[in-house]
Amino acid sequence: DTEVTQTPKHLVMGMTNKKSLKCEQHMGHRAMYWYKQKAKKPPELMFVYSYEKLSINESVPSRFSPECPNSSLLNLHLHALQPEDSALYLCASSQVIGLEGQFFGPGTRLTVL
Amino acid sequence: KQEVTQIPAALSVPEGENLVLNCSFTDSAIYNLQWFRQDPGKGLTSLLLIQSSQREQTSGRLNASLDKSSGRSTLYIAASQPGDSATYLCAPYSGGGADGLTFGKGTHLIIQP
Repeated sequence: DTEVTQTPKHLVMGMTNKKSLKCEQHMGHRAMYWYKQKAKKPPELMFVYSYEKLSINESVPSRFSPECPNSSLLNLHLHALQPEDSALYLCASSQVIGLEGQFFGPGTRLTVL
Repeated sequence: KQEVTQIPAALSVPEGENLVLNCSFTDSAIYNLQWFRQDPGKGLTSLLLIQSSQREQTSGRLNASLDKSSGRSTLYIAASQPGDSATYLCAPYSGGGADGLTFGKGTHLIIQP
């Protein structure tokens, strides 16, 4: 299985809602990533988990809360988001020493009203 | 901090042409470089991964070259087809462990039937 899956594909939420994005991989990768991509911009790194521990947080606001319950799963909990947080959220995975490249999921299109 | 530049930003050509997409990066101490394709609103599909010890990597009609010392990579697309229309992103990998990718802004490619 060489696939990264993400759910849901689309999400619309109000600024007072709490929601979660989910990501799963079964390639035995021990590094997982969240990226944010705004329209017509390249992806920007948000968080990196290595061996289920948060290793990189790129100064992301606390309204985004990542969680890595096990080596195959990665969640992104959302609370009190702003309309400017609307974007495509991409999950990726790789070997910890990333010599085999990163593999990306299809993304979740998030709209904050 | 790695900075990545992709030229041209956009390209529109009739089908059948051979194309060259350019990528330059400021930190030449990289382990590898990935070329990705992204269709509108979709995730990233890895096209080619070229290791720092390699000069070229080929997959079908795609060929990527890497000149690590000069901080340059090119993606060559032979006999372009309308289905090649997408945004192409390059991402050099500099980290020794789990580390995010730094992307260029991409080349938006349109192949006219």
